[in-house]
Amino acid sequence: DTEVTQTPKHLVMGMTNKKSLKCEQHMGHRAMYWYKQKAKKPPELMFVYSYEKLSINESVPSRFSPECPNSSLLNLHLHALQPEDSALYLCASSQGGVTAGRTQYFGPGTRLTVL
Amino acid sequence: AQSVTQLGSHVSVSEGALVLLRCNYSSSVPPYLFWYVQYPNQGLQLLLKYTTGATLVKGINGFEAEFKKSETSFHLTKPSAHMSDAAEYFCAALKTSYDKVIFGPGTSLSVIP
Repeated sequence: DTEVTQTPKHLVMGMTNKKSLKCEQHMGHRAMYWYKQKAKKPPELMFVYSYEKLSINESVPSRFSPECPNSSLLNLHLHALQPEDSALYLCASSQGGVTAGRTQYFGPGTRLTVL
Repeated sequence: AQSVTQLGSHVSVSEGALVLLRCNYSSSVPPYLFWYVQYPNQGLQLLLKYTTGATLVKGINGFEAEFKKSETSFHLTKPSAHMSDAAEYFCAALKTSYDKVIFGPGTSLSVIP
């Protein structure tokens, strides 16, 4: 089973709201990722967690705050977003560490609209 | 810096025709290579991957890709296009010592009945 789940599927929020995106995997993967994808563009890496520690932050604005409560769960907390933050937010996971392949498996995404 | 290029942002084929989507990478060290497919309003689905070993890789839905080190290429093919193949296709590379995947810009495949 290579399933990564994401909730909610759609989210509409105002610029003053606080919301969270959730990602879950039960494949025993130890690396988890957040990506942002605009229409007709490839995904852009935002954060990488490796063994529940933040290992990569691609200079993402502080209005995006990641959290990895345990090895199966990854959250993205959103606060004071801008309309240009509207996008598809994808979560992915991989085995992590120095394992051949380290293939990333993606969730279905959360479609975020900021009004 | 490592990069991935995909020739043709949009490719149209007739149903039943050969599908060929091109991907080239730039790296002094061959990375791990992947093809992902994305249907509208969905996440990315792994089609196939090359890590080591056999250079012709078979994936899901009848797709295959061949790793050619001399040409730094990893082109995706399917002998006979089906309407359900219409989607966005991303080629990607992963450096073996780093967790960051480099995506190509994507190729949108249309299948004409």
